[in-house]
Amino acid sequence: GAGVSQSPSNKVTEKGKDVELRCDPISGHTALYWYRQRLGQGLEFLIYFQGNSAPDKSGLPSDRFSAERTGESVSTLTIQRTQQEDSAVYLCASSLTDWSYEQYFGPGTRLTVT
Amino acid sequence: QKEVEQNSGPLSVPEGAIASLNCTYSDRVSQSFFWYRQYSGKSPELIMSIYSNGDKEDGRFTAQLNKASQYVSLLIRDSQPSDSATYLCAVNGKDFNKFYFGSGTKLNVKP
Repeated sequence: GAGVSQSPSNKVTEKGKDVELRCDPISGHTALYWYRQRLGQGLEFLIYFQGNSAPDKSGLPSDRFSAERTGESVSTLTIQRTQQEDSAVYLCASSLTDWSYEQYFGPGTRLTVT
Repeated sequence: QKEVEQNSGPLSVPEGAIASLNCTYSDRVSQSFFWYRQYSGKSPELIMSIYSNGDKEDGRFTAQLNKASQYVSLLIRDSQPSDSATYLCAVNGKDFNKFYFGSGTKLNVKP
């Protein structure tokens, strides 16, 4: 079946602009995660959604970052007033349930802030 | 102290040898442990999950977990050049749905 999809694959934006990144999880997966990966670094947890429960936003680095998810489907990550340090690959992952923690990743969105 | 520590490498092994990748974690309550493979420019791909002390084998891969020592490892038998990638260790924390990733160990398998 179809895996996790993300769009756009690449985004170049000017400092100060807002960007919106999209994630489509695997159909039937109730849990969805966003991560950030800077060049040569590991993955940094940003936010976690599980069904209709309140999301765990504890990893969002500042109030410029926000994310939404409609039910158990698409999620969007929004970065307002982008800064150069926001340049990274943003990865989305989904897992079947909140107790099946095996995560499957999308291809990522490479964000470059100039 | 980082939640998950890995040697960045690179770890170089000849084709056909056993590659041993190691990971330590800081939170004693962690319950779920994963190994991901990440090729350059690609997203992480799940290889193994392990939840109980001991060994878990899947084909050429064996994951080993020692909760007392807070240590998890991945053995790759009969290493192939196609195994050359960065291997990421992931562990959950006190909030069991929140995962911490190591920075990864780069593995080079030489033909």
